[in-house]
Amino acid sequence: RKEVEQDPGPFNVPEGATVAFNCTYSNSASQSFFWYRQDCRKEPKLLMSVYSSGNEDGRFTAQLNRASQYISLLIRDSKLSDSATYLCVVSGGYQKVTFGTGTKLQVIP
Amino acid sequence: DTAVSQTPKYLVTQMGNDKSIKCEQNLGHDTMYWYKQDSKKFLKIMFSYNNKELIINETVPNRFSPKSPDKAHLNLHINSLELGDSAVYFCASSDGLNQPQHFGDGTRLSIL
Repeated sequence: RKEVEQDPGPFNVPEGATVAFNCTYSNSASQSFFWYRQDCRKEPKLLMSVYSSGNEDGRFTAQLNRASQYISLLIRDSKLSDSATYLCVVSGGYQKVTFGTGTKLQVIP
Repeated sequence: DTAVSQTPKYLVTQMGNDKSIKCEQNLGHDTMYWYKQDSKKFLKIMFSYNNKELIINETVPNRFSPKSPDKAHLNLHINSLELGDSAVYFCASSDGLNQPQHFGDGTRLSIL
């Protein structure tokens, strides 16, 4: 099993739709969780940290399920500018930092 | 002001050469990283330094040698470049190992 797994997509959704991505991790000792977005030929940028109780930032909601070892990202009211690759990151546990392979989102007009 | 800056942005060189990539951060962070993103877009950590000390050293050929002269700098030297080294190399920094990272805009290395 890969340390961090994501569905590569692409997810093609119309503007205004709600879309959700999951990311599973294998190391139960992991401590910190993040979502990053990466635009084509650009560097990854932090979208949001993921907290145990779940957290929201505008149209974005992140959840952590430690029992099932996955994190999720929900995007409401998708905008064209949300088109990007979304990377989940899991760190802690044996001093490891692991990026998922990313999920590609394409928002269609 | 650029938070994490790496130079050069593009590097085109021949197989067998030795090259260096420099990274500097002005965020006051104590942890810095090097990542390699290959043609399949998989971002893999190579090294991490905390307060100039190596704390993560993934399975990377020993042709790659990081050097951290101080907390704000983490350079990457690559000896005897090979075709498979072609990739985008990202530097990043964070305020501790398990904290959000800020990335430089990458160095695109192409081996001829």
